[in-house]
Amino acid sequence: AQTVTQSQPEMSVQEAETVTLSCTYDTSESDYYLFWYKQPPSRQMILVIRQEAYKQQNATENRFSVNFQKAAKSFSLKISDSQLGDAAMYFCAYLEYGGSQGNLIFGKGTKLSVKP
Amino acid sequence: GAVVSQHPSWVICKSGTSVKIECRSLDFQATTMFWYRQFPKQSLMLMATSNEGSKATYEQGVEKDKFLINHASLTLSTLTVTSAHPEDSSFYICSARWASGSLDTQYFGPGTRLTVL
Repeated sequence: AQTVTQSQPEMSVQEAETVTLSCTYDTSESDYYLFWYKQPPSRQMILVIRQEAYKQQNATENRFSVNFQKAAKSFSLKISDSQLGDAAMYFCAYLEYGGSQGNLIFGKGTKLSVKP
Repeated sequence: GAVVSQHPSWVICKSGTSVKIECRSLDFQATTMFWYRQFPKQSLMLMATSNEGSKATYEQGVEKDKFLINHASLTLSTLTVTSAHPEDSSFYICSARWASGSLDTQYFGPGTRLTVL
């Protein structure tokens, strides 16, 4: 069974600085998707970034980028120029490609604090 | 981006009553919808997977007779908590699956906070 591990329960970053959140996963599949979701205090889950495993190029969305290392099964999220609004829980998630049900496998989350 | 609504955003009910939560995909048709439960400071726990026109698939340990799921259309799924008790108090989140070509993503509703007195 696939698993997702986020080894950092909490992280802190100074405003305008850069922070990297770690995520590792375990799967025997070769095709899959990986996601980072953000859950701010409002508790609305927001899609931050998505990576298809077959793509070698790391996904980027404005200040958010990933370092996808398929062989190492690692999928870290880098937040540049951190802003106060980035403070949230961040969840890494795995999705099997072409799965009949399409259910996400979540990590336990990393709580990010941003200091002004 | 794709929008998923959830209603109500919060509800308080008496023990023994039933509560219905609606989840709608507003600008896309969802092949599948999911219901999650989230305890404070924890990750999302999948309760059930719902496909339009068919019975929901429940995760192990989730009582299907207590958490009734109806998926009447490609844009609407409902979760009914029957005979609610205080231990059912929680934050419930739905998501809708948007799958097109090589893209496959879940978009989440804003959640419903249920408090059972």
